[in-house]
Amino acid sequence: DTAVSQTPKYLVTQMGNDKSIKCEQNLGHDTMYWYKQDSKKFLKIMFSYNNKELIINETVPNRFSPKSPDKAHLNLHINSLELGDSAVYFCASSHHGSGGATDTQYFGPGTRLTVL
Amino acid sequence: ELKVEQNPLFLSMQEGKNYTIYCNYSTTSDRLYWYRQDPGKSLESLFVLLSNGAVKQEGRLMASLDTKARLSTLHITAAVHDLSATYFCAVDIIPGGGADGLTFGKGTHLIIQP
Repeated sequence: DTAVSQTPKYLVTQMGNDKSIKCEQNLGHDTMYWYKQDSKKFLKIMFSYNNKELIINETVPNRFSPKSPDKAHLNLHINSLELGDSAVYFCASSHHGSGGATDTQYFGPGTRLTVL
Repeated sequence: ELKVEQNPLFLSMQEGKNYTIYCNYSTTSDRLYWYRQDPGKSLESLFVLLSNGAVKQEGRLMASLDTKARLSTLHITAAVHDLSATYFCAVDIIPGGGADGLTFGKGTHLIIQP
C-alpha cells in the first residue's frame, strides 16, 4: 500500500505555464507538507497544512499555492512557471503533536519538475 | 535563523571501515531526525531521536543525540556497499515539534567502495 503518493512523477513544461501537482496520503495523518529539493539536493520546506489550516509559508513566491480539499490531500498549484522552479517537489505527512515516533514525516516519491 | 550543518558533505570510504557523520544545529530542539535518500528516490526515515542522550541502532547504523551540545551523530560500523546513499539530518522548525515542518542539513553523500 502506498502511504504518500504524488502525481505526476515527472512534469516537463514551458515557462509561463500553470501546473499542478497532486498529493494524497492514506496514513490518517492530520498534517501535510510540501518541500522543494534543488539541484544540489538541498531540501527546503514550502508549506504545511494542519487540519486544512496553513501553518507556515517559507517566503515562497505567491505563484505557488497549496490547496487542500480534505485532510488526505494537499495539492500544489504553480502559476507562471519560471526556469528557477525546476526542482524535485516532495509531499510529506505526519501526526501533529503526538510526541512519539509517529511524528516523523513520511515522504512521497517526489515530482521532478523541469521548466524549459 | 535556524541552521543545521552536516559534515562531511561528501564521504568516500571502503567497505568494512567505520565512520561518523556529524550534525550540528542552532536551536534548542530536543528532537532530531535522520533520513536516507537513494539517487532519484524519496526520503526514508531512519531514526527519530526524541531526547537528550537518545541512542538508536538499526543494523550497521547508530544515531545519537546530545541536545546540550546541539549535536547528533550517525555512526556507520563495518560499512557495506548497500549503505551508499545521501544522509540527511533535520530538526523541527519550532522546537518541540508539531506541524511546522523540518529544516534539513545539506546532506552527506556517502559512497562505499568495495
